[in-house]
Amino acid sequence: ETGVTQSPTHLIKTRGQQVTLRCSSQSGHNTVSWYQQALGQGPQFIFQYYREEENGRGNFPPRFSGLQFPNYSSELNVNALELDDSALYLCASNPPNSPLHFGNGTRLTVT
Amino acid sequence: QKEVEQDPGPLSVPEGAIVSLNCTYSNSAFQYFMWYRQYSRKGPELLMYTYSSGNKEDGRFTAQVDKSSKYISLFIRDSQPSDSATYLCAMSPERDYKLSFGAGTTVTVRA
Repeated sequence: ETGVTQSPTHLIKTRGQQVTLRCSSQSGHNTVSWYQQALGQGPQFIFQYYREEENGRGNFPPRFSGLQFPNYSSELNVNALELDDSALYLCASNPPNSPLHFGNGTRLTVT
Repeated sequence: QKEVEQDPGPLSVPEGAIVSLNCTYSNSAFQYFMWYRQYSRKGPELLMYTYSSGNKEDGRFTAQVDKSSKYISLFIRDSQPSDSATYLCAMSPERDYKLSFGAGTTVTVRA
């Protein structure tokens, strides 16, 4: 048990729509990161939040945005969905000086 | 050229064999090196975490890092069918920040 819970587990959206994915971490996990894992590939870093502020971003366009809340939950929002956005979206968090632990992800399919 | 290269396999071994996995990388700024195991429909699970060069052993698992060659390895001794999974190497320049992953190697241990 990693203490990182993601919802929903699966989601189907149409191209052009918007989607919100949610993540819940344990108390004390001040850092949350989001990764995108395409089929057959390793996860790719989207962005990281620390104490509700964006703390770094990977090579993803601005239509990928996030929020982190004081209750250790967070959201990943994707606007104007494209077919290539179909992937497993992983949330990861960690308490200070401990390695990242991942949730089981949300499988997003864009048709 | 990808920043982290990992042979995707698949790799099939008999129960009890030694499994050898490796990754090469190009970014000399990487200081932290990890191995994750990912079962189907699950998120990555941290197996080994190493800082800089050297060896680390944990039960049946041994991780090696050779920064001079930009090469990391994971060895699994006395492999079990339950070890059948995809193994991902990951690395980062700062602790738990902006991990770069290999594409993963799929391993099957035959009973």
